[in-house]
Amino acid sequence: TQTVSQSDAHVTVFEGDSVELRCNYSYGGSIYLSWYIQHHGRGLQFLLKYYSGNPVVQGVNGFEAEFSKSDSSFHLRKASVHWSDSAVYFCAVSANSAGNKLTFGIGTRVLVRP
Amino acid sequence: AQTIHQWPVAEIKAVGSPLSLGCTIKGKSSPNLYWYWQATGGTLQQLFYSITVGQVESVVQLNLSASRPKDDQFILSTEKLLLSHSGFYLCAWSLRGNSGNTLYFGEGSRLIVV
Repeated sequence: TQTVSQSDAHVTVFEGDSVELRCNYSYGGSIYLSWYIQHHGRGLQFLLKYYSGNPVVQGVNGFEAEFSKSDSSFHLRKASVHWSDSAVYFCAVSANSAGNKLTFGIGTRVLVRP
Repeated sequence: AQTIHQWPVAEIKAVGSPLSLGCTIKGKSSPNLYWYWQATGGTLQQLFYSITVGQVESVVQLNLSASRPKDDQFILSTEKLLLSHSGFYLCAWSLRGNSGNTLYFGEGSRLIVV
C-alpha cells in the first residue's frame, strides 16, 4: 500500500518569494506522483506529474517538482509566487497507471501575502 | 474541449432524507469516472470509480451508492443521509487506460446535513 505525507499544513510567504512544498511517499515499487491545486471552494486542478525520466518536471504557472528516489520525495517549488497562488496543494501517489488507486496527502495551505 | 459539470452546487438536507448528486462529462468518450469526498479542510477520500457504463467499484463504504447510467454521467446517491455525509463531493474523470493518473475535477457539490 502506498502512503503519502505532506509535512507542512500551512505555509505563509510574501509575493515574489520562492516556495517549496514537501511531499514524501512510501511504496516499494514504481510509483506515479502528481501535484494538484485547490483554490478555496473549488475543485482540484492538475499541476504536474512524474513517473520516469527527468526527475525535474515542469508544470503549469511556473511550478516544478523534483523526484528523489533516495529521499522518497516529490517536492513542489515555485521561484516567485503570486497572490493567486494562495490555495491548498495536494500531493498524490499511485502504484498503477489507472486513477482508481490514487492516494492524496492531507494538503498544504499556502497563503501569499502582498 | 472537455467539460465536467456537477449539480447541485450546494444543498442543505435533513438527516434521514435522500440525496442525489450528479456529474456530466462532455467532450470525452468512455472516460474513467470518480467520486471523491472531502471533509471541510481535509484531504480527499475516493468513494467510487467507474471504467464503463453500468459498472461501478466501491472504494469506501459510507452508506452511499453510485451509478453510471450513461457513458457521460455519474450519479452519487443515498436513501438516508447521516450527519457524517456533510462535506464537499468532487467528481473527476481521467482518460481510459494508461493515463498516468491525471484527474480532471469538477467544481464540486457542497452538502450540509442538519
